[in-house]
Amino acid sequence: GAVVSQHPSRVICKSGTSVKIECRSLDFQATTMFWYRQFPKQSLMLMATSNEGSKATYEQGVEKDKFLINHASLTLSTLTVTSAHPEDSSFYICSASRGQGREQYFGPGTRLTVT
Amino acid sequence: DQQVKQNSPSLSVQEGRISILNCDYTNSMFDYFLWYKKYPAEGPTFLISISSIKDKNEDGRFTVFLNKSAKHLSLHIVPSQPGDSAVYFCAATPLTGKLIFGQGTTLQVKP
Repeated sequence: GAVVSQHPSRVICKSGTSVKIECRSLDFQATTMFWYRQFPKQSLMLMATSNEGSKATYEQGVEKDKFLINHASLTLSTLTVTSAHPEDSSFYICSASRGQGREQYFGPGTRLTVT
Repeated sequence: DQQVKQNSPSLSVQEGRISILNCDYTNSMFDYFLWYKKYPAEGPTFLISISSIKDKNEDGRFTVFLNKSAKHLSLHIVPSQPGDSAVYFCAATPLTGKLIFGQGTTLQVKP
């Protein structure tokens, strides 16, 4: 159990366009979902935390108007990168936790390339 | 301000021997620690965790040790297998649930 999927796995978009990434918990209800970003050869950096039905909590330095997060149900969260720029190119990973568990289960990640 | 540190960027071990990956933390509010394994272009896979009320947790070939006074934890893999070759991240979390990751250690297990 505890499978998390992400879609798409990779996406290339033009500068100025918006891209939506979906994160789904397949076999459990996720009380909380998290969005991370990883730059090459670096650690995972938490961008935001979202709970179903409420606004996401963004980490310091993350633009909430640029990275829109919607947590519409207990199994789905979306991250929309608006007006993407080449510097937004990165590996985006979501995770989900269930119940009162402290473990987070990660999706396979989405490689975003902005040209 | 790196609250979780993995000071060894890489580690090479012979198959069958023990792999020891180390992690240090600075925040005394952390009360739960986790180890993840990650392959390139994939999401991390949860391996093992430990609560601050324990000093050891074992799961098959994986054992995590926690030394709270030293703010240090380690992951032991024995025996190491070539399939264990990956990047290993330690992570720590306070009650808020936010995971703080270390920089990762690349483990290579040679046949």
